[in-house]
Amino acid sequence: DQQVKQNSPSLSVQEGRISILNCDYTNSMFDYFLWYKKYPAEGPTFLISISSIKDKNEDGRFTVFLNKSAKHLSLHIVPSQPGDSAVYFCAASASRSGYALNFGKGTSLLVTP
Amino acid sequence: DVKVTQSSRYLVKRTGEKVFLECVQDMDHENMFWYRQDPGLGLRLIYFSYDVKMKEKGDIPEGYSVSREKKERFSLILESASTNQTSMYLCASRLDPGQSYEQYFGPGTRLTVT
Repeated sequence: DQQVKQNSPSLSVQEGRISILNCDYTNSMFDYFLWYKKYPAEGPTFLISISSIKDKNEDGRFTVFLNKSAKHLSLHIVPSQPGDSAVYFCAASASRSGYALNFGKGTSLLVTP
Repeated sequence: DVKVTQSSRYLVKRTGEKVFLECVQDMDHENMFWYRQDPGLGLRLIYFSYDVKMKEKGDIPEGYSVSREKKERFSLILESASTNQTSMYLCASRLDPGQSYEQYFGPGTRLTVT
């Protein structure tokens, strides 16, 4: 059963505008969340993370928001650039499980000039 | 910089062949992972290893085995390749989870089984 869900398979945004990628989770034991970015024919690269003790984490153009009560997180990219076009994976971990990351199916972002 | 390397970027094998996928990391990470990525299915965990000679099944271990004889190397073995194992295979490594949750990925191996 998918514990991390990215319900939008794709998203198209104009350059300079905001991109918002969403992620929902079902396991209340998850306490650490990560976003990865993946270009075709490359491995995923870590983008940004957030612990459940926070509700926001920012790194340059990237901000992740966490709403624990709704079991929802989102990644905001402002401003979006054509180089941001990639597949974005949301991942979650429960500290007690120790080892596993549970990944969503990914959202393909296309930023058009 | 953490570096995770995989032995091949592209591989074509025939049904029934034994296939070895090799992964090496250079950061003395304790944990290593093998995933496969398929369109519409995201990343699915096949096996992981939390230390040398230790291994644990992930979500989809059927048809696969692994070997970790040295800390830096984690091998994925397809005992008898089948066409449904055509996929992108991704290796990752990580420090002990008490120190970091972030996993570092290799470039992937695109395996085609004909």
